[in-house]
Amino acid sequence: DAGVIQSPRHEVTEMGQEVTLRCKPISGHDYLFWYRQTMMRGLELLIYFNNNVPIDDSGMPEDRFSAKMPNASFSTLKIQPSEPRDSAVYFCASSQGGVQPQHFGDGTRLSIL
Amino acid sequence: AQTVTQSQPEMSVQEAETVTLSCTYDTSESDYYLFWYKQPPSRQMILVIRQEAYKQQNATENRFSVNFQKAAKSFSLKISDSQLGDAAMYFCAYRSLSGNTPLVFGKGTRLSVIA
Repeated sequence: DAGVIQSPRHEVTEMGQEVTLRCKPISGHDYLFWYRQTMMRGLELLIYFNNNVPIDDSGMPEDRFSAKMPNASFSTLKIQPSEPRDSAVYFCASSQGGVQPQHFGDGTRLSIL
Repeated sequence: AQTVTQSQPEMSVQEAETVTLSCTYDTSESDYYLFWYKQPPSRQMILVIRQEAYKQQNATENRFSVNFQKAAKSFSLKISDSQLGDAAMYFCAYRSLSGNTPLVFGKGTRLSVIA
């Protein structure tokens, strides 16, 4: 079975541009998580969904960040406008049920110049 | 709120030797899950092992085992017969069983394996 699929794998863009990160969870998984990883702060949860509904978005840094899950097989994380401090690796993960292990995608390395 | 602490930013081990990575956590809950994830240079996050808090028996997966001390809130990972492919960042993570809480990660330990 395919794992969690994220795209793009790398993204380099200039400050002020809109960035959209995409995630396809494992089929049948009802939880989806977005994490950000930086050297300074480690792995931070940004937002997570259950059955396509956002449950907790308290980790979203500010209004420039938004996430959607229009259906069970697709989610996006959007940054508009992007800033250099948004540079990080962004991971998507999914799980079946609230306590089962999370399966991670390969991450998107985002660089904002 | 739960916290996870990994006090060893870096560790090294000789190939074929054994190494133990430390993890402590803080919680007021009695039921929860604990995990160790491995992140190699390819940056994938790979689940290594998990432990249910209600189980007294320590989890084991091939060369990987844990020492779970619930009273001490300690969850260390032992890697036996270390291999070059074990070189990676290792993250300890906590997940509550109550409510809809996600994983809480430690800062990670970078493990180097010396040939």
